[in-house]
Amino acid sequence: LAKTTQPISMDSYEGQEVNITCSHNNIATNDYITWYQQFPSQGPRFIIQGYKTKVTNEVASLFIPADRKSSTLSLPRVSLSDTAVYYCLVGDRNNAGNMLTFGGGTRLMVKP
Amino acid sequence: DAGITQSPRHKVTETGTPVTLRCHQTENHRYMYWYRQDPGHGLRLIHYSYGVKDTDKGEVSDGYSVSRSKTEDFLLTLESATSSQTSVYFCAISESTGTRDTQYFGPGTRLTVL
Repeated sequence: LAKTTQPISMDSYEGQEVNITCSHNNIATNDYITWYQQFPSQGPRFIIQGYKTKVTNEVASLFIPADRKSSTLSLPRVSLSDTAVYYCLVGDRNNAGNMLTFGGGTRLMVKP
Repeated sequence: DAGITQSPRHKVTETGTPVTLRCHQTENHRYMYWYRQDPGHGLRLIHYSYGVKDTDKGEVSDGYSVSRSKTEDFLLTLESATSSQTSVYFCAISESTGTRDTQYFGPGTRLTVL
């Protein structure tokens, strides 16, 4: 199973750029990297997904180096509403399904 | 947001009683999943389904069973609830089998076993 390691928590201030790095040393050739966001009392919500280099959408950017053993989620100019838990997942397959393993996530606290 | 509902949203029950949680989707997605979330553990996969009547175990399946008789419904049953099964349960769905799959999560069910 591909495992991920992320910081347990991070603090930031409104307007700053936040970078959350995830390590996934055992990533497989066909695996993609996916990030989810979870607010209290809600289910996780997809943010961004990538395979290599850089991916950008309206919410975030994802940077993946050539060896793919880590990835960095970048949130530009965070606001208080970005306070949430962020999960890094690596696609992991078994014989019949598509199981994604959630780790403990990174709890981001954005302060005014 | 993906059309996923969970029922009930909250439930309090007693040890030893059977409990069934329902996940309903309107997206016609093939894959459905049940997770539990506990403080300090993130989300852990209980069971998943890859089609009608096709299910398999996840990371923490002991004490749980599932059934999927229709594409849109995935039921999670606790045959005899225990206090260790007090948790928040999330259902998720996904469309494809590829590693680019994205899971969409329901609102969750908070279960308390006394």
